[in-house]
Amino acid sequence: GAVVSQHPSWVICKSGTSVKIECRSLDFQATTMFWYRQFPKQSLMLMATSNEGSKATYEQGVEKDKFLINHASLTLSTLTVTSAHPEDSSFYICSAGGVGNNEQFFGPGTRLTVL
Amino acid sequence: AQSVTQPDIHITVSEGASLELRCNYSYGATPYLFWYVQSPGQGLQLLLKYFSGDTLVQGIKGFEAEFKRSQSSFNLRKPSVHWSDAAEYFCAVGARNNQGGKLIFGQGTELSVKP
Repeated sequence: GAVVSQHPSWVICKSGTSVKIECRSLDFQATTMFWYRQFPKQSLMLMATSNEGSKATYEQGVEKDKFLINHASLTLSTLTVTSAHPEDSSFYICSAGGVGNNEQFFGPGTRLTVL
Repeated sequence: AQSVTQPDIHITVSEGASLELRCNYSYGATPYLFWYVQSPGQGLQLLLKYFSGDTLVQGIKGFEAEFKRSQSSFNLRKPSVHWSDAAEYFCAVGARNNQGGKLIFGQGTELSVKP
């Protein structure tokens, strides 16, 4: 199957700093990527849909100015958590694909801890 | 509104016993249906999917699922559970009208396997 990578796999940062997470489709081109957030022992909540070359579509309740998404190429989408606070600590997962047959390929996730 | 319900938050089975994880969905039409598995701190791996055709779907690792339109269900089954099957399992639905490939996930079922 298709491979999606995320970098970094984990990050610890101080409150108030910004953190960038990369999501790459390694062996296919992805016009659409998705960003999810997962709290411990909970399900995945879709944060936004990232479309190559256009603005991301955010789900209701997600602050677009806090979670900046850029999808500059067909293989890379980035999520920047700006001015991170402890409540932003979470597991962030990206996926790619999904258009057409809706099959998405998931990255391994990024554990963000904000001190 | 679209929704997915996994009624069982946590299930414990003995190794070698059979397994059934329940999934019910609410959707205006027949959706795309998926089962994913997640090991601790990892991303999601696709077990199987239903798009159309035979309502009994075979997946990886010996799993199967049956789509029952009349019950709006897509339960996951395995005849004999292995200790390595202990993980979190998520059922998901996707829109058939290709709404950008968005997936809606259930709450997840944590599977523990007793020796």
